[in-house]
Amino acid sequence: GAVVSQHPSRVICKSGTSVKIECRSLDFQATTMFWYRQFPKQSLMLMATSNEGSKATYEQGVEKDKFLINHASLTLSTLTVTSAHPEDSSFYICSAGTVLNTEAFFGQGTRLTVV
Amino acid sequence: QQQVKQSPQSLIVQKGGISIINCAYENTAFDYFPWYQQFPGKGPALLIAIRPDVSEKKEGRFTISFNKSAKQFSLHIMDSQPGDSATYFCAASIGSARQLTFGSGTQLTVLP
Repeated sequence: GAVVSQHPSRVICKSGTSVKIECRSLDFQATTMFWYRQFPKQSLMLMATSNEGSKATYEQGVEKDKFLINHASLTLSTLTVTSAHPEDSSFYICSAGTVLNTEAFFGQGTRLTVV
Repeated sequence: QQQVKQSPQSLIVQKGGISIINCAYENTAFDYFPWYQQFPGKGPALLIAIRPDVSEKKEGRFTISFNKSAKQFSLHIMDSQPGDSATYFCAASIGSARQLTFGSGTQLTVLP
């Protein structure tokens, strides 16, 4: 299957700072990328959908000014958590898809801890 | 979000046994039903997926059974192994959107 690389795998940041998470499709062009959030022992909750070159579509209840998503190229999407708070601590996972394949390919996730 | 209900929440099986996880959905527009395996600290990995035009799909030890009229689908893991111990998620999506609605997850433990 196709490879999606997420970086960093773990990050610790101080309250009030911003942190950027990258999601790259290594061997295919991702027309659409998805960002999920997962709390311990819970399911994946979709945060937003991004299409290359256009604004992201956020799910209800997700603050778009807090979780900035950029999908500037067909191989890279970034999620920036702005003014992070301890309650933003979570596991963030991206997935990417192509127009040729129904399957969504997942990154390995990023564990964010805000202290 | 449209719901996909998954059960059981946790499952303990002896090595060599059959693990069965069930999911039910509401939205009849769903037309792609994958199962994912997730190990701690890792992203989910696709195990097997099915479309509603077939009632069963088998890949190795993993089988999906699909009941369109009941709006239910299940994952069967035959000859379960300790290495299968992980969290399993069912999911559903519409068309080629790849925007997945996940079930709540099942923590599977296979005892040696």
